[in-house]
Amino acid sequence: TQLLEQSPQFLSIQEGENLTVYCNSSSVFSSLQWYRQEPGEGPVLLVTVVTGGEVKKLKRLTFQFGDARKDSSLHITAAQPGDTGLYLCAAPQVGGDMRFGAGTRLTVKP
Amino acid sequence: ETGVTQTPRHLVMGMTNKKSLKCEQHLGHNAMYWYKQSAKKPLELMFVYSLEERVENNSVPSRFSPECPNSSHLFLHLHTLQPEDSALYLCASSLDRVGEKLFFGSGTQLSVL
Repeated sequence: TQLLEQSPQFLSIQEGENLTVYCNSSSVFSSLQWYRQEPGEGPVLLVTVVTGGEVKKLKRLTFQFGDARKDSSLHITAAQPGDTGLYLCAAPQVGGDMRFGAGTRLTVKP
Repeated sequence: ETGVTQTPRHLVMGMTNKKSLKCEQHLGHNAMYWYKQSAKKPLELMFVYSLEERVENNSVPSRFSPECPNSSHLFLHLHTLQPEDSALYLCASSLDRVGEKLFFGSGTQLSVL
């Protein structure tokens, strides 16, 4: 099993601050996905990155896939309380099934 | 609303009970999954069904028994569970099995007393 390590595990910030969370592995992946899970709900896909060095933007969220396709980062600009949740990265394993990191639990205080 | 519906949302059961979790999707997807989410642990893949055939069982204890009667429905039958089985059980579906976007249900929060 190819492990995905996410950091930090917990992050608590004030509204308006910027933040970056990371997803790292020693393995090379064909693609990587980011999900957000809100309390009491299942994860919802935010983005899929496929190409090494790729950068994708989703409003205030910027996702980057490392050049070697072993790591990824998620940067949030001017965080809002609505960004609160568990951010999960996931990548396909041999056979294709998605395996997940442990997540970063983000709290944005008003 | 992701198109994947799970019932019940909450379940409390004793160690000697038998219960079933239900998952339903009408997205036309061919693959369905059961994941377990415990505190401080990554989402654990339990079972995978592709075109109604079980294709993976990740060393899950036999007290968990999946059933996929058709491509739209997935069940997880539970019997003689242990307190450490308390967790959020998430169902997901995807168009096909390999590296596809997963659509998750809201989960069943299970407590085993």
